[in-house]
Amino acid sequence: QQPVQSPQAVILREGEDAVINCSSSKALYSVHWYRQKHGEAPVFLMILLKGGEQKGHDKISASFNEKKQQSSLYLTASQLSYSGTYFCGDTNFGNEKLTFGTGTRLTIIP
Amino acid sequence: ETGVTQSPTHLIKTRGQQVTLRCSSQSGHNTVSWYQQALGQGPQFIFQYYREEENGRGNFPPRFSGLQFPNYSSELNVNALELDDSALYLCASSFPGQGQETQYFGPGTRLLVL
Repeated sequence: QQPVQSPQAVILREGEDAVINCSSSKALYSVHWYRQKHGEAPVFLMILLKGGEQKGHDKISASFNEKKQQSSLYLTASQLSYSGTYFCGDTNFGNEKLTFGTGTRLTIIP
Repeated sequence: ETGVTQSPTHLIKTRGQQVTLRCSSQSGHNTVSWYQQALGQGPQFIFQYYREEENGRGNFPPRFSGLQFPNYSSELNVNALELDDSALYLCASSFPGQGQETQYFGPGTRLLVL
């Protein structure tokens, strides 16, 4: 079963913040976040390992709650370049298969 | 630029034909994963190759097969093409690390089956 992301779509004005949630139905080992622009390949953003890790770079950060089997991606002071579809992906220990979530389409308007 | 290349970029085939897609992994990566991405959906895992051996397979029929070569490049073969096989096919290379590894995606091959 694939992770479920929420919201499915969101429209923001430049400079606003966004939170994208990812919920899995299985015990997780790691969560990966990717951004995909229309017609392009997914671009890696960050990976989080079990243990309640938090990560961030620039104005994009993420958290991973192993017990709740959830991860959230935080985008602060959004820029036009943040537009795209965001996917989380999860893995189980010992299984390298990456299962992508349902996706969240983010549109940033000036 | 991830250093992962795929060929061809676009392909048109008819039902029943066979197709071979190619992927060159990033330097130093010995693992290649293949994904199918239908329009408006997320990538779906097809299979993964590690050091020339299949290392996990998703829910795809046997007419989807693959190879990995000693230089870690890889091929995806699809036989008896069906209309539903129309999709973007992505390969991703990585260096295994117990689920910690980052998968770097190539630009994809867009396949249209008529």
